[in-house]
Amino acid sequence: EAGVVQSPRYKIIEKKQPVAFWCNPISGHNTLYWYRQNLGQGPELLIRYENEEAVDDSQLPKDRFSAERLKGVDSTLKIQPAELGDSAVYLCASSLEARVQYFGPGTRLTVL
Amino acid sequence: GNSVTQMEGPVTLSEEAFLTINCTYTATGYPSLFWYVQYPGEGLQLLLKATKADDKGSNKGFEATYRKETTSFHLEKGSVQVSDSAVYFCALSIQGAQKLVFGQGTRLTINP
Repeated sequence: EAGVVQSPRYKIIEKKQPVAFWCNPISGHNTLYWYRQNLGQGPELLIRYENEEAVDDSQLPKDRFSAERLKGVDSTLKIQPAELGDSAVYLCASSLEARVQYFGPGTRLTVL
Repeated sequence: GNSVTQMEGPVTLSEEAFLTINCTYTATGYPSLFWYVQYPGEGLQLLLKATKADDKGSNKGFEATYRKETTSFHLEKGSVQVSDSAVYFCALSIQGAQKLVFGQGTRLTINP
């Protein structure tokens, strides 16, 4: 069974540019999560989807971050415009009926 | 609030040494507790979990016991291998696995 797929794996952009990350969860998993992991820290939840509904986005900086999960499968996380402090690894995870979370390899973002 | 505190790293051991990585938590309610491992260049993988007091999670020679009286979930392994070199994250969740709160991670290096 394929795991959580994320792309790109690495992204380098200049500040004020937009950037988007894509996630394909494990087939059949209805819950999808986006986390941000700063260097030397544990991941922190940005947003959680149940099917296509965002049920917890309290930690998402809504002035510059947006996310969508069309048809309750793939998801995209966008930052516009990016700031230097957004440099981090962005992790996607999925789970079935709120059980164990399975993580993708992450996208490492560097903002110059 | 809910939080997890892990033993400061990095930790360096010789092969076959005994490993302990300390983890304590603060939580409202009754959390489930997890250890995740992140190998270089890979996403987080669930190593083991425990859902109630006195439960012992185990996998790949690693063990951790949910100690409610000391609010701890220390990770142990009797004889480590070079392949155990990774970053280890302790985490908790309330309400099943819907929202994980991670510690800062402990980098473990095993020398041959």
